[in-house]
Formats: sequence, structure tokens, C-alpha cells
Amino acid sequence: GAGVSQSPRYKVAKRGQDVALRCDPISGHVSLFWYQQALGQGPEFLTYFQNEAQLDKSGLPSDRFFAERPEGSVSTLKIQRTQQEDSAVYLCASSSRDRYTEAFFGQGTRLTVV
Amino acid sequence: GQQVMQIPQYQHVQEGEDFTTYCNSSTTLSNIQWYKQRPGGHPVFLIQLVKSGEVKKQKRLTFQFGEAKKNSSLHITATQTTDVGTYFCAVYMEYGNKLVFGAGTILRVKS
Repeated sequence: GAGVSQSPRYKVAKRGQDVALRCDPISGHVSLFWYQQALGQGPEFLTYFQNEAQLDKSGLPSDRFFAERPEGSVSTLKIQRTQQEDSAVYLCASSSRDRYTEAFFGQGTRLTVV
Repeated sequence: GQQVMQIPQYQHVQEGEDFTTYCNSSTTLSNIQWYKQRPGGHPVFLIQLVKSGEVKKQKRLTFQFGEAKKNSSLHITATQTTDVGTYFCAVYMEYGNKLVFGAGTILRVKS
């Protein structure tokens, strides 16, 4: 596609509900990143994929967070048993190589847990 | 771990005034990137610097990478209302492929 696409754009979840956030990166991009951005803050790294391999998941805040990219293209970030502190914008970015390349961001998914 | 500190957190300028944001690290950086995020938008890549002492310009924007590769700056000459947004620096960690962002500098421009 022309850019990184994320869906849904907005998600309201009741506390305790599971959610799944989707990211369609730019076709052919090797690297895929997930970030969490709270209001007024910078993007906080969650996890990184190189093709289908999850090489770094050090930023995932708890074992309720899980990400996958099974075929090396589309990625899903799943949050189980959502809590209010999970409310944030979740950004996905992709880049064409592994380092020293620009990251292209999607519009993000705004998650609100009520 | 490697972190980048960005200052100031916030700046409010009169249209036509200059603006500078700084990004500092305690360790030597392999490269540094700058992004702009408009209110309600997503980060958009501006530039990447990799060489010691490197200076790059994009119209009214000037980007510098320090000689020791531990700091960088973004300078905007004669700000315009279209410059409003948050400016982030970002670096790839020394090991692995983790792209880490600074906290950002929010720029507001009064017309």
C-alpha cells in the first residue's frame, strides 16, 4: 500500500476486555515497530520485528501484551484483560531495512479503556 | 541503557522568531533522526544524521550532529504557524534495532 495502515483508528474497551490492533506496513518493509504514546509524551518502544521474527520485546509493559507478525507483513498487537492505564495511542511504524533508515508511521489506534 | 534527553520540553514563540531544540546523550550515538508530529497526527521523518559534526539544512530548518556524536540540535529560522507541533529526536540503540525516541519539544507559534 501507499503507507502504513492501522485499524481500528479508535477503540473503546471495557476494563477486562481483550483487544487486537492491526498494522499493515508498507509492502516489502523488513522492520516493524510498535510504540505506545500517552498524551503529551513521546512514543515509547514496545516491540520490534525483522520480517516474522520478534527480535526485541523489551518494551512490552506486561505479559498481557502480545505481538505477532506470522508472515512477515501484517502485525497484530493484542492486549488481554485491558486496564485503564493501557489507554493510549498505539503507533505502528515500518522501515525498509534494519538500521539507519527512516521509520514510516501509521495514523495510530487510540485505545480508551473505560 | 542508552537514553536521549531532549530540551526544552515546551517553547512558545512569536511568529518570525527562531526556535531550537536539543537532544543530548551520555553515550556516543551511531546516528540520530528527527521527526515532527503535528497535533493529532503521527510522527513524520525529517532527517537523519550519521557523521560527526554533520550539518544539514532543509529550507528554514538546520540540523546539527555534535563533534563527539553525543548531542544534536534542530534550529528553525523565522518560525511560521505551520511549524507548530512536537519535534522528536530518535536514535537506534547501539545493540539491536530498537529505535528510541526522546520526550519531544512542543513548539507553539503566536501569530
